[in-house]
Amino acid sequence: AQSVTQLDSQVPVFEEAPVELRCNYSSSVSVYLFWYVQYPNQGLQLLLKYLSGSTLVKGINGFEAEFNKSQTSFHLRKPSVHISDTAEYFCAVDTGGFKTIFGAGTRLFVKA
Amino acid sequence: DTAVSQTPKYLVTQMGNDKSIKCEQNLGHDTMYWYKQDSKKFLKIMFSYNNKELIINETVPNRFSPKSPDKAHLNLHINSLELGDSAVYFCARGTGVCNEQFFGPGTRLTVL
Repeated sequence: AQSVTQLDSQVPVFEEAPVELRCNYSSSVSVYLFWYVQYPNQGLQLLLKYLSGSTLVKGINGFEAEFNKSQTSFHLRKPSVHISDTAEYFCAVDTGGFKTIFGAGTRLFVKA
Repeated sequence: DTAVSQTPKYLVTQMGNDKSIKCEQNLGHDTMYWYKQDSKKFLKIMFSYNNKELIINETVPNRFSPKSPDKAHLNLHINSLELGDSAVYFCARGTGVCNEQFFGPGTRLTVL
């Protein structure tokens, strides 16, 4: 069975500072990896995804993530955050079946 | 356009009532989902439908019944509502081999 652990429930950071949101997963088979973002009172939307190939994946809004197979991690990074990045971020895995497993979420709070 | 729409956006009702939430996606993709998000933002899959057939039912009480009249619709009917059913319910559709999820805007259900 697959599982996803987001290591931080909340990450406060000042505007224009870099940020990393950590995600570890476990699976006995190959997985597809995702980061989704949820702004207040909205549904989730895809930030980026890793399917295969290059381990560094670039997404929308200046975010990127790196797949590390040996450490089973898929951490999300942004070199300089904005107030508008304040949101809930979810890491997720899927094996190509009909079930996506989501992490518990990390609340990113960007302070002025 | 990858829209997934849900109605209503807000639903306030009394314990014991029966209610339905409607979901429609406009691309004809086969796999649709219902998720429940609790007050701590934890996202849990409830049901998955592929080609109008139920393929995942994640230990959801039988008071919850999904109904898929066609590939574009997956409605959620809830009988005998309880206080613990209060949550945000998201409809989503999966696409591609990696099952990337597209979410609706959510329905906030409040049971009084």
